[in-house]
Amino acid sequence: EDQVTQSPEALRLQEGESSSLNCSYTVSGLRGLFWYRQDPGKGPEFLFTLYSAGEEKEKERLKATLTKKESFLHITAPKPEDSATYLCAVRPLYGGSQGNLIFGKGTKLSVKP
Amino acid sequence: DSGVTQTPKHLITATGQRVTLRCSPRSGDLSVYWYQQSLDQGLQFLIQYYNGEERAKGNILERFSAQQFPDLHSELNLSSLELGDSALYFCASTTGTSGHNEQFFGPGTRLTVL
Repeated sequence: EDQVTQSPEALRLQEGESSSLNCSYTVSGLRGLFWYRQDPGKGPEFLFTLYSAGEEKEKERLKATLTKKESFLHITAPKPEDSATYLCAVRPLYGGSQGNLIFGKGTKLSVKP
Repeated sequence: DSGVTQTPKHLITATGQRVTLRCSPRSGDLSVYWYQQSLDQGLQFLIQYYNGEERAKGNILERFSAQQFPDLHSELNLSSLELGDSALYFCASTTGTSGHNEQFFGPGTRLTVL
């Protein structure tokens, strides 16, 4: 069964304290891995798409990396405005569905000033 | 702003009732996806439409149905509502069905069933 597990469930950082969020996945084949940011009561906001092992993408203080079994979202020198829940999702290559995403439960990040 | 719109923003209703949630995709997007987000389950895929046709089904209850209209907006119908149906409902849109394109999410509809 296709599955996505994110850890930790919650992470508290001081402003400027770098860290990483983990997304482990089990799929029959990976069409793509997606990172989203979600603020309370709002819709997920797209951050990155990764397609193959070894791929990396960066945006401001965020950097996403991908291996064959997991992805990391590295946050460098975070600021309070980076506080949000970060969601990881995969799109399986095979199976009956076409294009739908399988989401992890997210990591809730809090950055204190 | 993702370009995806959803109405209403909030909906409060009673058990046994029926409601309709509406979604307008980004301009040019042909695919619409519906997701349910509850505190314990996270984001769960419900159903996908592409250019008016149903393409994929996920964990959608028989009490729920959806359709996509010629102008590409979509509606999710929830009937015989139960307390457990209280959740955030999101739609997302993307340009095709190949699976390579990222999905853009709307702001969601918060459904409360009393």
